[in-house]
Amino acid sequence: QQQVKQSPQSLIVQKGGISIINCAYENTAFDYFPWYQQFPGKGPALLIAIRPDVSEKKEGRFTISFNKSAKQFSLHIMDSQPGDSATYFCAASMEAAGNKLTFGGGTRVLVKP
Amino acid sequence: DADVTQTPRNRITKTGKRIMLECSQTKGHDRMYWYRQDPGLGLQLIYYSFDVKDINKGEISDGYSVSRQAQAKFSLSLESAIPNQTALYFCATSDGVGLAAEQFFGPGTRLTVL
Repeated sequence: QQQVKQSPQSLIVQKGGISIINCAYENTAFDYFPWYQQFPGKGPALLIAIRPDVSEKKEGRFTISFNKSAKQFSLHIMDSQPGDSATYFCAASMEAAGNKLTFGGGTRVLVKP
Repeated sequence: DADVTQTPRNRITKTGKRIMLECSQTKGHDRMYWYRQDPGLGLQLIYYSFDVKDINKGEISDGYSVSRQAQAKFSLSLESAIPNQTALYFCATSDGVGLAAEQFFGPGTRLTVL
């Protein structure tokens, strides 16, 4: 039973387009929501993260939108570039449980030139 | 991330064999984790350790065991490997400080059990 559900599983977008990945969570005790980016042959690396007291966080071309009432959050990649082609994982954690991460299933993003 | 290393990077073994995957870190972090990655399932936590004397089971610990030999070393063992343990295995570390404790992942070990 996945506590964090991620969609879509894969995504193809043209260079310059917008990539949108959605995640939904069950446990309202989660208090930290990071996104990790993984390139082939590498381990995941933190991309951007948000806490539930804000509705949006932007870092460069990457934006997290957070909807606490709907228990959903999403990653938007603006002006997508071929170098953004990677697998993206949403995750959630709670400080009370030692910040262990619960990951979504991942989205493979391919940006076509 | 060169600060977290995993050996071996690839391993092919047979059903019933004992396998050990090793993880070392130079980040000075107290917390270490072992995950397995399967397509469509994301990363699932196998075991985690908050310090040398603290080891805890994760979501999918059955069939696995771990050893925290030192702050910098955390090993994962498959006592009797089976084909459905074929997966990509990642070690991660964090300093565990505060709410936003980033985890740093190693490059992974691809394990195939025939």
